[in-house]
Amino acid sequence: IAGITQAPTSQILAAGRRMTLRCTQDMRHNAMYWYRQDLGLGLRLIHYSNTAGTTGKGEVPDGYSVSRANTDDFPLTLASAVPSQTSVYFCASSEAGTVYEQYFGPGTRLTVT
Amino acid sequence: GQNIDQPTEMTATEGAIVQINCTYQTSGFNGLFWYQQHAGEAPTFLSYNVLDGLEEKGRFSSFLSRSKGYSYLLLKELQMKDSASYLCAVMDSNYQLIWGAGTKLIIKP
Repeated sequence: IAGITQAPTSQILAAGRRMTLRCTQDMRHNAMYWYRQDLGLGLRLIHYSNTAGTTGKGEVPDGYSVSRANTDDFPLTLASAVPSQTSVYFCASSEAGTVYEQYFGPGTRLTVT
Repeated sequence: GQNIDQPTEMTATEGAIVQINCTYQTSGFNGLFWYQQHAGEAPTFLSYNVLDGLEEKGRFSSFLSRSKGYSYLLLKELQMKDSASYLCAVMDSNYQLIWGAGTKLIIKP
């Protein structure tokens, strides 16, 4: 089934622990994105990648890192989780270039205690 | 700074029409998107406007005025399944999407 998958669906994590959120797409989209969504706030871009091998910082990159070793996978790592990183995390992808709609994965609900 | 404003919540009646407004101030403009997000689910694409005017797609229409920094999403013949949040997003000069906080639409029978 074409689309984007994310894992895990939800996670409770102790503060200070390291965590990697996984994202895989099979649409051969060049561009991929990580957002966080918090109540009362719009989606905020954490990191993005316009093509395999390149990444860029979004609006709220601190405390997060990404890698893009191939077209399909775009993992997001929290090196040392803090409670303010409690959020719903969405991965998205789009065709590369200029203006294209973004397709979203189902999200990961992360709680940092 | 960049800013997208939309109402937090709206209520409408099944079968009626509702208009959800969005105003924006961004660094550059490469189009405005509307997405629908049901509770607990991912956002899904509804519409894209880059030129002034109305774009119609079935029961949903989207309007843009670039000079006023204004858009609206018009939903006709409301159905219960239209209960969702509607997200307005503007693509800025760096081709990044700037998102509003979303409008929660409640449909009553």
